[in-house]
Order: sequence, then structure tokens, then C-alpha cells
Amino acid sequence: EAQVTQNPRYLITVTGKKLTVTCSQNMNHEYMSWYRQDPGLGLRQIYYSMNVEVTDKGDVPEGYKVSRKEKRNFPLILESPSPNQTSLYFCASSLSRLTYEQYFGPGTRLTVT
Amino acid sequence: AQKVTQAQTEISVVEKEDVTLDCVYETRDTTYYLFWYKQPPSGELVFLIRRNSFDEQNEISGRYSWNFQKSTSSFNFTITASQVVDSAVYFCALSEGSGGGADGLTFGKGTHLIIQP
Repeated sequence: EAQVTQNPRYLITVTGKKLTVTCSQNMNHEYMSWYRQDPGLGLRQIYYSMNVEVTDKGDVPEGYKVSRKEKRNFPLILESPSPNQTSLYFCASSLSRLTYEQYFGPGTRLTVT
Repeated sequence: AQKVTQAQTEISVVEKEDVTLDCVYETRDTTYYLFWYKQPPSGELVFLIRRNSFDEQNEISGRYSWNFQKSTSSFNFTITASQVVDSAVYFCALSEGSGGGADGLTFGKGTHLIIQP
């Protein structure tokens, strides 16, 4: 089954404690990205990756890091989480950055206290 | 810069009524793609439709239909004979052909649709 998986689905952590949210897709997609969803703001792109070892900033990259060492994985790293990073995070992948639908993971709800 | 506006924050209708969700977009590109996604209460994002800028044909899929009008930069979504299961947040999104700036989908803020039994 074609899918995008994220782990963990729910996470409560404290300010400053480094965390990683994993994202994996099994569709051999080149393009992957991370979004955060906040009430009243919709979804905003954090980072994206065109292919292995190719990443770039989206609209709201501050406080986040990503890496793309393998085509299927695109982890999101919060080196020092802060309460304003409390949000619902979605990983997405697609055949290309523009023309095809993006397949979204189930979401990760992060709370930073 | 690209922008998507969904002016309706929340819509509430009674089951079986028809309802239209509005989406207005801004882009300088001649090549772009428009999408609608559904987010039910369970939280996942479900792809509904993709439309490219060169195809202004309206589309119908069951009770769902989409009206794309380049002249008014709108891509509206209509649900006919709404059902309680249609209750969700619906997002309109845009992707530009040139990829300038943030290279991904630009989402509207969403319309929360409530279908009352």
C-alpha cells in the first residue's frame, strides 16, 4: 500500500529537549516536504527536498532542520524546541514538486511545554 | 507572490442542502496547479482534485463538482445534497509553475464545513 508514515503520532516534550520526527514514503517519490498546521493559519511549508541531499527552506524554517540521506526518509529535527513550535506537523511526498498531488502522512501532534 | 484566500471560515448547513466553498487565488505565473484537500475530524489530509491552469473544464465527481474560472481567479467547490460525512475542513491550495519562493503548495486557511443532521 502506497503511504507516507510519520512517527511519533503524538509527542509531548519540554523546552530545549532535542527531538526528531521521522517521515518515510514507499512510493519512490523524489519530492518531500514538511508542513505545520496552526489554527487560523492553514498549512505552511517548513522545508522541502527535491531529491537525496537536496533540501531548501520553505515559508517557516526557523527552529527546524531536515536531512535527506535516503530517498524514502525525510526526518524533521527540532534541535531546541520552544512552545511556539507546538503544532500539528505533516510530512508529504509527491512525484514532482509541482504537478502531482502530494501524499500526506497522518500527522504528528507536538506539544512543547 | 502566490496567495490563496478562502473567505469562508465556517459554513453550517442542514443535511441535503447544496453548499459551495469559495477559493480565490493570486499568482503571476501562467502555469500553475490548483488543489482541494479534505481534512476530516480524524485529522488526515485527503486529496480531492488537481487542476492545471490550462484546463478550465469544470469537473464533477459524484456529489462533488469544481468550477474553475481564470477570469475571476477562482476555483470553487460545490457539494450537492450534502451529508453529515462531508463535515470537515476543506483546503484549497496552489502550486506555481516557476516555483519561486517557497517551493511547495500554498494553502488557504481552510473552510470548516459543518453538516447538521
